[in-house]
Amino acid sequence: DGGITQSPKYLFRKEGQNVTLSCEQNLNHDAMYWYRQDPGQGLRLIYYSQIVNDFQKGDIAEGYSVSREKKESFPLTVTSAQKNPTAFYLCASSAGTVSEQFFGPGTRLTVL
Amino acid sequence: KQEVTQIPAALSVPEGENLVLNCSFTDSAIYNLQWFRQDPGKGLTSLLLIQSSQREQTSGRLNASLDKSSGRSTLYIAASQPGDSATYLCAGGGTSYGKLTFGQGTILTVHP
Repeated sequence: DGGITQSPKYLFRKEGQNVTLSCEQNLNHDAMYWYRQDPGQGLRLIYYSQIVNDFQKGDIAEGYSVSREKKESFPLTVTSAQKNPTAFYLCASSAGTVSEQFFGPGTRLTVL
Repeated sequence: KQEVTQIPAALSVPEGENLVLNCSFTDSAIYNLQWFRQDPGKGLTSLLLIQSSQREQTSGRLNASLDKSSGRSTLYIAASQPGDSATYLCAGGGTSYGKLTFGQGTILTVHP
């Protein structure tokens, strides 16, 4: 089955730790995205990548980093510099930048 | 800056009713508009994508329209069922790199 997988489903972080969220797609899509969802604020774009080995900051990139070494993978690292990381993180991909976006099941990150 | 608003914030209807969800956006220079469904604690499921050159799209009991001149989109659900209960999100694609600007969603409850 083609789709987007995210792992882990739940993640707990202690203060001062970096954590990495995994996103993998087997749809052969060029573009991949990371969004953050907070109650009452909708989804906001963190980072996006239009092609392998290239990525750009979105609206709320501070405290986050990404890499795009393979077409199918777009991991997100939440660094200790992100002061309020507790949220639901969603990864998406699309064939092109104006094409339909498909989303993964999400990772819920909680800071202890 | 694009802003997307969804009305109503919540809607409760009896099974079998036809209903309309509204989405408005401030910048008419959008590339496309996408409607999603989100179940509690889950990722987003794409329902319909309307490109800027199109007026409407249909999938089963769902019909979405787009009026760029008035900055509005509607999602029409025919013969609603309890399984339609979810949060419905609209998102405008307004940039060349595919960023979606999301509304805050309409929480739909269809009761038997």
